[in-house]
Amino acid sequence: DAGVIQSPRHEVTEMGQEVTLRCKPISGHNSLFWYRQTMMRGLELLIYFNNNVPIDDSGMPEDRFSAKMPNASFSTLKIQPSEPRDSAVYFCASSFRQGHGYTFGSGTRLTVV
Amino acid sequence: GESVGLHLPTLSVQEGDNSIINCAYSNSASDYFIWYKQESGKGPQFIIDIRSNMDKRQGQRVTVLLNKTVKHLSLQIAATQPGDSAVYFCAELFNQAGTALIFGKGTTLSVSS
Repeated sequence: DAGVIQSPRHEVTEMGQEVTLRCKPISGHNSLFWYRQTMMRGLELLIYFNNNVPIDDSGMPEDRFSAKMPNASFSTLKIQPSEPRDSAVYFCASSFRQGHGYTFGSGTRLTVV
Repeated sequence: GESVGLHLPTLSVQEGDNSIINCAYSNSASDYFIWYKQESGKGPQFIIDIRSNMDKRQGQRVTVLLNKTVKHLSLQIAATQPGDSAVYFCAELFNQAGTALIFGKGTTLSVSS
C-alpha cells in the first residue's frame, strides 16, 4: 500500500487566491482526518469524516475553509480566499476504524504571501 | 513533556543511553493513547499505543507507561540511536463515536553520537 497520499507537497500562493489540498486515504480505511500544524498551535484537528460523512468540523477556523469527501478514496480541503495566517503544514490521516491509530500523509506545506 | 508558548521541551541524550519522554494528557475520560514520531519534513509516524485497561506496553526498543491517576503517559526508548532524533507527540482519544485524536505539543529528542 502506498500509504496516505497528499498533493501538492508544497504550495505557495498569493493572499486572496483559492487553494485546494488533496488527499487519498489508505484503501479500506473508513475515517479521514485533516490536521493543521504550526509552531504556535501544534497539531490541530480541522475536520474528520467517517464513511465519507463529515462528523466534526468544529476545528475549521472559519467559513473560508471547506472540506469535502465525495467518495471513499478522495478528499479535498479548500481555502478561499487564502490569508497569510493560513500558512502551515496541512496533514491528512486515515484510520481503519474508531479507536485505532491513524496513518498520516507527508503533508502539504502551504505558504500564503 | 509540556510546552509553553513557542518552545517545545527538548531532551538531549547520548547514543546508547535510554530516553524517557513524558506527556501529561488532558481528559480523564480518554481511554486510548498513542505515541507518534515526527521527523523533519515528514508526517507523524505511529510508534506504539496503549489502552486504558493497561498500564504498560512494550514494543521493539520502546515501552509506554500509563498512569491514569495523574493523567501521565511516558515513552521509554532503550539504547537510543541517532535515527531516533525527532519530535515525539503523545495523542489521546476518548473512544466513542464522534471523537478524534487530540495531540500534545511535542518533545524534541536530540541524540548525539
